[in-house]
Amino acid sequence: NAGVTQTPKFQVLKTGQSMTLQCAQDMNHEYMSWYRQDPGMGLRLIHYSVGAGITDQGEVPNGYNVSRSTTEDFPLRLLSAAPSQTSVYFCASSELAGVNEQYFGPGTRLTVT
Amino acid sequence: AQRVTQPEKLLSVFKGAPVELKCNYSYSGSPELFWYVQYSRQRLQLLLRHISRESIKGFTADLNKGETSFHLKKPFAQEEDSAMYYCALDIRGSARQLTFGSGTQLTVLP
Repeated sequence: NAGVTQTPKFQVLKTGQSMTLQCAQDMNHEYMSWYRQDPGMGLRLIHYSVGAGITDQGEVPNGYNVSRSTTEDFPLRLLSAAPSQTSVYFCASSELAGVNEQYFGPGTRLTVT
Repeated sequence: AQRVTQPEKLLSVFKGAPVELKCNYSYSGSPELFWYVQYSRQRLQLLLRHISRESIKGFTADLNKGETSFHLKKPFAQEEDSAMYYCALDIRGSARQLTFGSGTQLTVLP
């Protein structure tokens, strides 16, 4: 199993550009989520999904959109990138029932200039 | 809103010395608490969770509801313990919508 994969690993955007961060998992996990990690602030939840067709907002959703058309994929879209969105983005997945470990992807380092 | 505080950004100890990484939380109910670890060039991964009362890689953590703390301890640090450690809290009992602390970078010196 590849686990949770994220592409790209690095990305530089200009202010106002849009892009999609890809996340996929091959563990048939129902739950998937996106976090951003900023220096000195730990990880903050952006959006999450409890299954295909179901998404919800986390702590810092503004400026980001998500969709979940399949169990495997959970892309994160930046509609109009801003310098404040410069961060490292992590995707995670887990089983839905019970208290389960979250499996994290390797991260995408995004710089917005 | 719930909050997790890790007061030490950096912590250095010598190999063989005891180590304690501090974690305090603010939440009035009964949270689920976790420690996640990120070794150099590796992914963030679960180290331990308080409900399991387990010892992983020699690390233990006890939930102290009176002091609202969940400190991570190891009696004899090893160089391979050098990593970034995050304390995390879940108030929904699902371990999925986690609130993370800002992390402590542990360096174990030879």
